[in-house]
Amino acid sequence: QVLLQESGPRLVQPSETLSLTCSLSGGSFTPTTTYFWAWIRQTPDKGLEWIGNIYYGEITTSNPSLRRRVTVSLGASKSVLSLRLTSMMAADTAVYFCARGVVGSRGPGWFDPWGQGTLVTVSS
Amino acid sequence: QSILTQPRSVSGSPGQSVTISCTGTSSDVGAYNYISWYQQHPGNAPKLLIYDVSQRPSGVPDRFSGAKSGNTASLTISGLQPEDEAEYSCCSYGDTHIYVFGSGTTLTVL
Repeated sequence: QVLLQESGPRLVQPSETLSLTCSLSGGSFTPTTTYFWAWIRQTPDKGLEWIGNIYYGEITTSNPSLRRRVTVSLGASKSVLSLRLTSMMAADTAVYFCARGVVGSRGPGWFDPWGQGTLVTVSS
Repeated sequence: QSILTQPRSVSGSPGQSVTISCTGTSSDVGAYNYISWYQQHPGNAPKLLIYDVSQRPSGVPDRFSGAKSGNTASLTISGLQPEDEAEYSCCSYGDTHIYVFGSGTTLTVL
């Protein structure tokens, strides 16, 4: 059974950079054509918001509204998924999830499973 | 990036059916059959219910069904059960390799 777990700071100062990691058990981040990896966040006001994906260990796509500030990466050993979000502001306060993306037989896929999520608050 | 439009809340009695709509644009829902639905109970992670518009993963009851017409996707839950009370969110693949989620719908089982 694949399990994902997010970790990182619970509180971030405005204008600082958020760094989160996601660890995986029951599977591997080794690049495949079947799976990709994603970061998604959730706020009470906007609901779920896609942040970005990483495919084949190195090709990334991201939400246009966050693109200038976001980096999704796999560590050199491909053992951890990372998210870096710069210039944090109050509107970035959210629960951040990592998730496995599954590529369907017909094309772009879906997200399953998800980590439990970690609440990040932006405040001074 | 726009959010897919969902009703804020829906409700139904046990045994009844409810349908949750998810309206997007010709750049996402209307353009691709890559719609997924997620169920989320309070304090838990979202759980995949439907993928590719109408496909159910193993373990998801056939009470859950998905469909799409034009720019609107829908999730129907038949034979409502108390444990179905949760938040439901849709997601669509969109132009330029992006994903867009719906605003989320709270289902109340009366």
